[in-house]
Amino acid sequence: SAVISQKPSRDICQRGTSLTIQCQVDSQVTMMFWYRQQPGQSLTLIATANQGSEATYESGFVIDKFPISRPNLTFSTLTVSNMSPEDSSIYLCSVEDPPKRYTFGSGTRLTVV
Amino acid sequence: QQQVKQSPQSLIVQKGGISIINCAYENTAFDYFPWYQQFPGKGPALLIAIRPDVSEKKEGRFTISFNKSAKQFSLHIMDSQPGDSATYFCAASSGQGAQKLVFGQGTRLTINP
Repeated sequence: SAVISQKPSRDICQRGTSLTIQCQVDSQVTMMFWYRQQPGQSLTLIATANQGSEATYESGFVIDKFPISRPNLTFSTLTVSNMSPEDSSIYLCSVEDPPKRYTFGSGTRLTVV
Repeated sequence: QQQVKQSPQSLIVQKGGISIINCAYENTAFDYFPWYQQFPGKGPALLIAIRPDVSEKKEGRFTISFNKSAKQFSLHIMDSQPGDSATYFCAASSGQGAQKLVFGQGTRLTINP
């Protein structure tokens, strides 16, 4: 299965600033998924990123707050914009490789102060 | 329709005992049911998965039981060990191609030595 490298692993940010999270996969994948895991909670899908097209956002998530780039088949970034303490979460990227086998990165633990 | 309901929220089992975590779903289009194990500071890792055409799948000490008519599936951990202490998530997805996972709420499992 695919191996995912996610950076940074953690960060502490000031409110009002933005953080860009990188996700690198060791193989070419069609879709990349970005999830949020709030403290002690389950995973919630933010958006699905397809190379060469705009990301598809889930209900409750908007592009202005969580812009996503997908420049090629092995890389994606998620930006958390204009952060507030409520954005403190673990952000995870995921890919499906091979079919029906979803692999997750180790996550980015974000604390907004 | 898209929800997966997981119980219990937390579970304490003695070493050597059987840990049982249950999930229920409504969407009959779901055709893939994985279980993920997550340790603190790590991303979820695929533990075992089942498709609805079988009623049981076993991998080592881990077994998934699937009841299609009841729309329920469960994870059994036999001979539970302290190293099994983690958070477990059931999930479901449907269709072909890259499809998002819908996660249960998670179960924090503690195995007492």
